[in-house]
Amino acid sequence: RKEVEQDPGPFNVPEGATVAFNCTYSNSASQSFFWYRQDCRKEPKLLMSVYSSGNEDGRFTAQLNRASQYISLLIRDSKLSDSATYLCVVNGGAGGGNKLTFGTGTQLKVEL
Amino acid sequence: DAGVTQSPTHLIKTRGQQVTLRCSPKSGHDTVSWYQQALGQGPQFIFQYYEEEERQRGNFPDRFSGHQFPNYSSELNVNALLLGDSALYLCASSSISLAGNAGELFFGEGSRLTVL
Repeated sequence: RKEVEQDPGPFNVPEGATVAFNCTYSNSASQSFFWYRQDCRKEPKLLMSVYSSGNEDGRFTAQLNRASQYISLLIRDSKLSDSATYLCVVNGGAGGGNKLTFGTGTQLKVEL
Repeated sequence: DAGVTQSPTHLIKTRGQQVTLRCSPKSGHDTVSWYQQALGQGPQFIFQYYEEEERQRGNFPDRFSGHQFPNYSSELNVNALLLGDSALYLCASSSISLAGNAGELFFGEGSRLTVL
């Protein structure tokens, strides 16, 4: 089983749609959680951290369910510029430290 | 403020050759991590350097080795290249001393290696 699992997509949605991505992780000792965004042929960049209480940043909402080892990202009012690959990322657990484990990414395509 | 810089950006090697990739971390950062990203996959952790020592290592063979210099820059070396080593190699920097930033890595644009 992969440490971090995501549906690779692609998710093709019209502009203005709401889209949700899910992710599961296998290591219950994982300490912190993130969503990174990666544009085509570019480097990954931090989108937002994910907390158990849920957190929001503009049109983006992230949720963490530690009991189910499940992370989600909701994007409201999708823009063309949201087209990218969204990487679910987990830090810590065995070995600890600042070692990030990435999922394979979910590709989002926002269309006119 | 210079971000993370990597060189070379692209390179082509043949099987059995050796390659060295270089990385300069973001100003103020002291930790460098290396990741391998194959096409259609997420980045895979190779190893991390702090205070010129390898602190953590992922599931990569000994053909992959690295080094960190006193100025915090780093090199990744891969020996006896295989076709399967073709990938984007990403360097990421962070700061151990910046509490609360445990998850934010700043990535360079990567070195795209093709092994023929």
